[in-house]
Amino acid sequence: NAGVMQNPRHLVRRRGQEARLRCSPMKGHSHVYWYRQLPEEGLKFMVYLQKENIIDESGMPKERFSAEFPKEGPSILRIQQVVRGDSAAYFCASSQVPGGTEAFFGQGTRLTVV
Amino acid sequence: TQLLEQSPQFLSIQEGENLTVYCNSSSVFSSLQWYRQEPGEGPVLLVTVVTGGEVKKLKRLTFQFGDARKDSSLHITAAQPGDTGLYLCAGGLAGNNRKLIWGLGTSLAVNP
Repeated sequence: NAGVMQNPRHLVRRRGQEARLRCSPMKGHSHVYWYRQLPEEGLKFMVYLQKENIIDESGMPKERFSAEFPKEGPSILRIQQVVRGDSAAYFCASSQVPGGTEAFFGQGTRLTVV
Repeated sequence: TQLLEQSPQFLSIQEGENLTVYCNSSSVFSSLQWYRQEPGEGPVLLVTVVTGGEVKKLKRLTFQFGDARKDSSLHITAAQPGDTGLYLCAGGLAGNNRKLIWGLGTSLAVNP
C-alpha cells in the first residue's frame, strides 16, 4: 500500500514562473491537505480538499495560489508568478476521514525560487 | 499567536537518558496528534489521543493527553540515537476539526 506520493521532490523556479506541485493520496483516502513549512514558522495549513471540492482554503493566499483535486488524478497545488518568498517545503497529507486526524504525509516538495 | 506551544524548543541528551517534551495550549482540542519528522522528510504520525487523561504507550514512548484536553506530553525512556528528530504536536480544535493546528516542534538530538 503506497503512501502519499509527492512530486517533484525538489523544484527550482525563476521568479515569475509557475510551479506545479503534485500529490497522490494514499489508496482509499479522499481527503487531501496542503501545508507549507518554513524553518522558523512550522507547518502552516493552506487548503483542504475532497474530490472535486475545495472544503477550506482559509490558509491559502488569495492571489497566485490555487489548488485542485480532480475526480481522476493527483491533487495539484499551483503557484503562479512565483516570488522568492514562496521558497519553502510544501507537504501534502491525506486521510480516510474528514478532519485531518490520522493524516499521513508525503515527503514534500522543496521549492526554491531563484 | 501560536496556539500550540511546544517546549523545550531544542533538546540534546546522551543515549540512555529519559526525557519529556510538552505541548501546551489555552484552547481545548478534540484530538491531538504527535508526529516525528526527520530532515528532508514529511512528518510521520506517532499517535492520536482523543480522551482527557488518556495515556498511550508506543514501545519506549509514552503519550499523555491532559484532563482538560489543553495539553499533552511525550516521555521517552532510555533514548536512542534513532529517536533523533523533530517532534511535532498538532491538535484539532473542538468544533472545527477540519484542519490541524501545529506547534513549532521540539528538536531532539540523542548523542551516542
